[in-house]
Amino acid sequence: SQTIHQWPATLVQPVGSPLSLECTVEGTSNPNLYWYRQAAGRGLQLLFYSIGIDQISSEVPQNLSASRPQDRQFILSSKKLLLSDSGFYLCAWSVGSSFEKLFFGSGTQLSVL
Amino acid sequence: AQKVTQAQTEISVVEKEDVTLDCVYETRDTTYYLFWYKQPPSGELVFLIRRNSFDEQNEISGRYSWNFQKSTSSFNFTITASQVVDSAVYFCALSSTGRRALTFGSGTRLQVQP
Repeated sequence: SQTIHQWPATLVQPVGSPLSLECTVEGTSNPNLYWYRQAAGRGLQLLFYSIGIDQISSEVPQNLSASRPQDRQFILSSKKLLLSDSGFYLCAWSVGSSFEKLFFGSGTQLSVL
Repeated sequence: AQKVTQAQTEISVVEKEDVTLDCVYETRDTTYYLFWYKQPPSGELVFLIRRNSFDEQNEISGRYSWNFQKSTSSFNFTITASQVVDSAVYFCALSSTGRRALTFGSGTRLQVQP
């Protein structure tokens, strides 16, 4: 069966520090991978999606970046965090077309202080 | 442009009451899919249902039912005889041929009081 791992679960970082969140999927090949952010009291905002290794699409211009060095690994990074980067970050995967349901990781609560 | 609107920010009901969560969507595509996800306090989103734009039949799954009406661009979700375990944030989402990922609404927080 397929599983998705996302870590860390919580992270407190000072403004200006770097960020690296990692997500891995097991039990499936060539998944579509996604990073969403959920700000407090708001909906899910798509940040990045990837249909293959080194194929990343950015939805929102900001100081975050994503990389996919391996088929089932998706990394969200920042060189310098801003206060506005605080939020709940969710990794998700799907297989096939954009009509397929997403499977979500357990999320990372990021607090930038 | 795609958009999903969940006008109800928060709903509070007492156990065993029925509750309907509203979802209104906008898309120019003729082929699209609608979804509902549940986000319990643990944070992980759980898939509930997917419905394609060509199937307007209502669907029932246990205490859950969904009403899809193309004429009003709505895909409402009803929980019958609500339970405390139904307390969560519920998201409606839309996917269409023009996009690779789901567009989510802002979510409705449902609190079911014992």
